[in-house]
Amino acid sequence: AQSVAQPEDQVNVAEGNPLTVKCTYSVSGNPYLFWYVQYPNRGLQFLLKYITGDNLVKGSYGFEAEFNKSQTSFHLKKPSALVSDSALYFCAVRDNTNAGKSTFGDGTTLTVKP
Amino acid sequence: ETGVTQTPRHLVMGMTNKKSLKCEQHLGHNAMYWYKQSAKKPLELMFVYNFKEQTENNSVPSRFSPECPNSSHLFLHLHTLQPEDSALYLCASSQEGRKDYEQYFGPGTRLTVT
Repeated sequence: AQSVAQPEDQVNVAEGNPLTVKCTYSVSGNPYLFWYVQYPNRGLQFLLKYITGDNLVKGSYGFEAEFNKSQTSFHLKKPSALVSDSALYFCAVRDNTNAGKSTFGDGTTLTVKP
Repeated sequence: ETGVTQTPRHLVMGMTNKKSLKCEQHLGHNAMYWYKQSAKKPLELMFVYNFKEQTENNSVPSRFSPECPNSSHLFLHLHTLQPEDSALYLCASSQEGRKDYEQYFGPGTRLTVT
């Protein structure tokens, strides 16, 4: 079985400050990890992924995430938040043997205030 | 745009109606998915199709009936729905078999059952 936990329903940061959205996971095999963002009245948009290789992954819009195997975490980060980053963020995991099935977290609402 | 389109964008139907949701992907992917997104359960996987074959039915009630005539099109046929089925229905696609696996989502159909 695989699972994802996003421990924070809501994250609030001031514009220009660094942001972190947390994600921890559980899989039986090697994890494939993803972050998606959802703006109001839109579908989810892929941001970045970790499949293999460097633990620090860079993605769209200046976001990055660090894969930490010992802590089973894949936190999303950005050095300087923008008001336009305000959205709903989902972490997802699948193991390398579970063809076609990703498990999504419950989502974290990020609010960046001017 | 993500390359995945969904129609209609909004649908209001009575409990005795029959309607269909349509999804089309223009990405050449070989897997397609239906998700339900509601306030109670942010993202629920309903069905998975790999190479037009259904590989996952996540205990979805029979009043939801998927159809995948080819790898580019996916339908969700709706019949005798309940008010609790009101939600955003998202379609997604991905390329299985390469190290991509990220999913591309359509904008969703907002369904209201009256």
